[in-house]
Amino acid sequence: GAVVSQHPSWVICKSGTSVKIECRSLDFQATTMFWYRQFPKQSLMLMATSNEGSKATYEQGVEKDKFLINHASLTLSTLTVTSAHPEDSSFYICSARQGLLSYEQYFGPGTRLTVT
Amino acid sequence: DAKTTQPPSMDCAEGRAANLPCNHSTISGNEYVYWYRQIHSQGPQYIIHGLKNNETNEMASLIITEDRKSSTLILPHATLRDTAVYYCIVRVLGGGSNYKLTFGKGTLLTVNP
Repeated sequence: GAVVSQHPSWVICKSGTSVKIECRSLDFQATTMFWYRQFPKQSLMLMATSNEGSKATYEQGVEKDKFLINHASLTLSTLTVTSAHPEDSSFYICSARQGLLSYEQYFGPGTRLTVT
Repeated sequence: DAKTTQPPSMDCAEGRAANLPCNHSTISGNEYVYWYRQIHSQGPQYIIHGLKNNETNEMASLIITEDRKSSTLILPHATLRDTAVYYCIVRVLGGGSNYKLTFGKGTLLTVNP
């Protein structure tokens, strides 16, 4: 199946700094990408949906100025956590869909963010 | 999207079939049933999906009741590597540019040696 990669796989940063996470679709063009967050022992929570070349659509309660999403190309989306705080520590997972009617949504391996 | 109800956890012996139930009593006629799984500290993995007919692929079988109010995911010969959280999700196919997969709490399947 299609492959989605994330980089880095884990990152530790200090409180107040910004962290960028990359999500790439390796063998297909992703018209839509999704960003999820998962806290320990909880389910995935959708943060935002982005279409290539458009502004991301954020879920209710997600601060768009804190979680900056850029989907500049059909194979790359980035999530920047700005002014990170310890409560932002979580497992961030991206997902990509090839077309509007594609039933399969491919997930990346996730990025573990720890803010100290 | 219709809500789903799954047992929080299940155990299965290695080599035996694992049958994971899912209730979706409010499913609409145009909603599909999808199954994903998430192995610890990894991203979710697509398993199978169906509308009303039973489906089978190399990973699993999906049995949907005639009234479509429930379904069962079957792993025919469970291995230790099948230990994961299994998510049953119902939604419309496609859904336009803002297609979303909404995850519930899923079922933690533990395959025991």
